[in-house]
Amino acid sequence: EAGVAQSPRYKIIEKRQSVAFWCNPISGHATLYWYQQILGQGPKLLIQFQNNGVVDDSQLPKDRFSAERLKGVDSTLKIQPAKLEDSAVYLCASSFSGSLDYGYTFGSGTRLTVV
Amino acid sequence: GQQLNQSPQSMFIQEGEDVSMNCTSSSIFNTWLWYKQDPGEGPVLLIALYKAGELTSNGRLTAQFGITRKDSFLNISASIPSDVGIYFCAGFNAGNMLTFGGGTRLMVKP
Repeated sequence: EAGVAQSPRYKIIEKRQSVAFWCNPISGHATLYWYQQILGQGPKLLIQFQNNGVVDDSQLPKDRFSAERLKGVDSTLKIQPAKLEDSAVYLCASSFSGSLDYGYTFGSGTRLTVV
Repeated sequence: GQQLNQSPQSMFIQEGEDVSMNCTSSSIFNTWLWYKQDPGEGPVLLIALYKAGELTSNGRLTAQFGITRKDSFLNISASIPSDVGIYFCAGFNAGNMLTFGGGTRLMVKP
């Protein structure tokens, strides 16, 4: 079974620029998550989708971050404009139904450096 | 928001030693999870715990769900070099939201 695919693996941008990350979940997984992992910390949930609807985006900084999952499959996360404190690894994860019983798989992440 | 306090933050041990790390919270969680993260990779699930008091093993790993539902520990027996990595505890609350601890960085000296 193919895992969660993310691209790019690395991105370096200047502050105030825009950036987008892409995630393709495991086939058949209805639930998709975006996490932000700052160096030395555990992952923090940014947004959770169930199919193409948002379940939880309470920790998403909506003034600069946006995410979409238009067809209920792959998803993009955008930052516009980026700040220095956005430097982090952005992890995408997916699960069959949102329940742990069906597994919860992470991608390898996109490492963003804002300079 | 909910916080999981994980300790120790880092450990440097000799190969063959046993390792113990734990996670505590001021809030109750319904499910406790333990993940391992290697450099440049996403976290990988090691053990999931679903009931208070539950003790579960996965090879050399053993984890327990605390009776109060506010803590959990992970033990690794007879450590080997490939155990090196960052171990995270995580918990699902009643709202099905997953919260991660700050991680324990494990280093093993051959």
